[in-house]
Amino acid sequence: QLQLQESGPGLVKPSETLSLTCTVSGGSISGSSYYWGWIRQPPGKKLEWIGSLYYGGSTYYNPSLKSRGTMSVDTSRNQFSLKLSSVTAADTAVYYCARHLGSGSADTFDIWGQGTMVTVSS
Amino acid sequence: EIVLTQSPGTLSLSPGERATLSCRASQSVGGNYLVWYQQKPGQAPRVLIYGASSRATGIPDRFSGSGSGTDFTLTISRLEPEDFAVYYCQQHGNSYTFGQGTKLEIK
Repeated sequence: QLQLQESGPGLVKPSETLSLTCTVSGGSISGSSYYWGWIRQPPGKKLEWIGSLYYGGSTYYNPSLKSRGTMSVDTSRNQFSLKLSSVTAADTAVYYCARHLGSGSADTFDIWGQGTMVTVSS
Repeated sequence: EIVLTQSPGTLSLSPGERATLSCRASQSVGGNYLVWYQQKPGQAPRVLIYGASSRATGIPDRFSGSGSGTDFTLTISRLEPEDFAVYYCQQHGNSYTFGQGTKLEIK
């Protein structure tokens, strides 16, 4: 059964770069036509899509991030990563990685990691 | 960006009752690509409905979705104790955006 697990520092200083990794187990990132995405949820607020990537390298981002986000994939480790630069307190959130189809009516975030809390504070 | 507004913010009902949750979009959702998720405390969201009205695999038939264009509804016909949670709508007709959620609580 496919599982996703986020990892990374729980505390990041303002203006620094937040780095998270999602490890996929029970299946291959490159063995399917799925996209791999990042979603976050600030405390008490709604979910926000950050961006998604395909194992072949194509990426697309939420324009609201204003080019602060960079995603990459490491197929040899079956992982994909997110870097978010110049963080502020507004970036404090639970960060989830999730799988989705990328197109069509069934393009849902159907498998999620458990989420990891990241706090931006000095 | 398509903004999704869910109502009510909180819905207090008893087990066995019928729940009706609303999701309104700021503009028409292309393809009626509207998804409903359920989220329980400390857990990731779970897909209930996609394509506005199709139940995801393993979802009980007491959950149903309807609507098109800008107005969508999630109905839970007879509430079970495990249904009390937060429900989010999400559209993927134009990028991906989520509603702010409806908390379904036990009355």
